[in-house]
Amino acid sequence: KQEVTQIPAALSVPEGENLVLNCSFTDSAIYNLQWFRQDPGKGLTSLLLIQSSQREQTSGRLNASLDKSSGRSTLYIAASQPGDSATYLCAVSGNQFYFGTGTSLTVIP
Amino acid sequence: DAEITQSPRHKITETGRQVTLACHQTWNHNNMFWYRQDLGHGLRLIHYSYGVHDTNKGEVSDGYSVSRSNTEDLPLTLESAASSQTSVYFCASSSHNDNYGYTFGSGTRLTVV
Repeated sequence: KQEVTQIPAALSVPEGENLVLNCSFTDSAIYNLQWFRQDPGKGLTSLLLIQSSQREQTSGRLNASLDKSSGRSTLYIAASQPGDSATYLCAVSGNQFYFGTGTSLTVIP
Repeated sequence: DAEITQSPRHKITETGRQVTLACHQTWNHNNMFWYRQDLGHGLRLIHYSYGVHDTNKGEVSDGYSVSRSNTEDLPLTLESAASSQTSVYFCASSSHNDNYGYTFGSGTRLTVV
């Protein structure tokens, strides 16, 4: 069974700092990897989707990378803002999606 | 705009009652999924469907059932609600047209008392 791990579980940074969130997975036979944002009491909002043939995707201040061979993905957030405070989840798919338990990010003004 | 909607947003029910949570999507996605989210466990797959009349069990399917009679809807039924089923339930959909990326509903918070 695919295992997805996100470390750290929680992270606090001052506003303006660049940061990296990590996701690792045990089975490299994935179809794609997706990063989500979840605000308290809300649903999941898709941020970036990387297909298995791709190495990275970018959207605004966000950049996600994928290294299938090592079972790792990173989400880079540039110039963090208090509005970026949320829980960030990664999910990998084979025949179904498997989710990590997330990194709770707090950006301090 | 296309969307995926869940209803109700909140529900309180008693142990032993049958409960149905609704999920409706207008993305015309073939694939639909139900997850539950609990502290310490993350998101766990309950049931999923790859098309009309297709249903499959996920990791935590005991006590739940689904049916898919059309493309838009995948209702989740708790046959006899138990306190262990108190959770937040999320519906999601996907399609090969979107590289199978997930789109999520806003969730239903279910409390079983």
